[in-house]
Amino acid sequence: QVQLVESGGGLVKPGGSLRLFCAASGFTFSDYYMNWIRQAPGKGLEWVSFISVGSSDTNYADSVKGRFTISRDNAKKLMYLQMSSLRAEDTAVYFCARRAKFGEGASDIWGQGTMVTVSS
Amino acid sequence: QSVLTQPPSASGTPGQRVTISCSGSSSNIGGNTINWYLQLPGTAPKLLIYNNNQRPSGVPDRFSGSKSGTSASLAISGLQSADEADYYCAAWDDSLNGPVFGGGTKLTVL
Repeated sequence: QVQLVESGGGLVKPGGSLRLFCAASGFTFSDYYMNWIRQAPGKGLEWVSFISVGSSDTNYADSVKGRFTISRDNAKKLMYLQMSSLRAEDTAVYFCARRAKFGEGASDIWGQGTMVTVSS
Repeated sequence: QSVLTQPPSASGTPGQRVTISCSGSSSNIGGNTINWYLQLPGTAPKLLIYNNNQRPSGVPDRFSGSKSGTSASLAISGLQSADEADYYCAAWDDSLNGPVFGGGTKLTVL
């Protein structure tokens, strides 16, 4: 079935780095734009980054620009989020989500999320 | 501080009709379509409405959406206890070149 599974989350110290993974299955991964969206504990959703099908187009929220890098490997059906210079305010559940082919920027498939905690 | 503005809470009794509002600006709702997501506690969000008023396959027609200018609303009719969840509006933002979300509305079924 159509599925996204995130991994790579954990506890990291402020200033540290972490790499998140999103594994796709059940659909043609290379046909879809992909997003990272996060949710701080008890808070709402915040878009983090998107990547185009061929990786030529990416964008980031201002809050992570210059610190996070999104990438993908279509052959492996994987998307990545390299996070560096992490701050306490980056603590959140990070979801990978497929951008739907309908709607403007709607995300129609979501993973279960992976928790990132930035704390000393 | 979320870009889109939603009421933090809403409530209704079983069978009732409830609406949740969402307001934005010309760079997001005013110029693009609105999407709505439902999030049950401890789970990932689920797309509920796209293109202002379209329902993905499997979403009951009790859920409907509308948009006017820089505001939008989600209506839930025939309220059920299973509808207790957080609801988020979202729209593409031309200035950000990415989607923006509302802060979420927690719906309680009394």
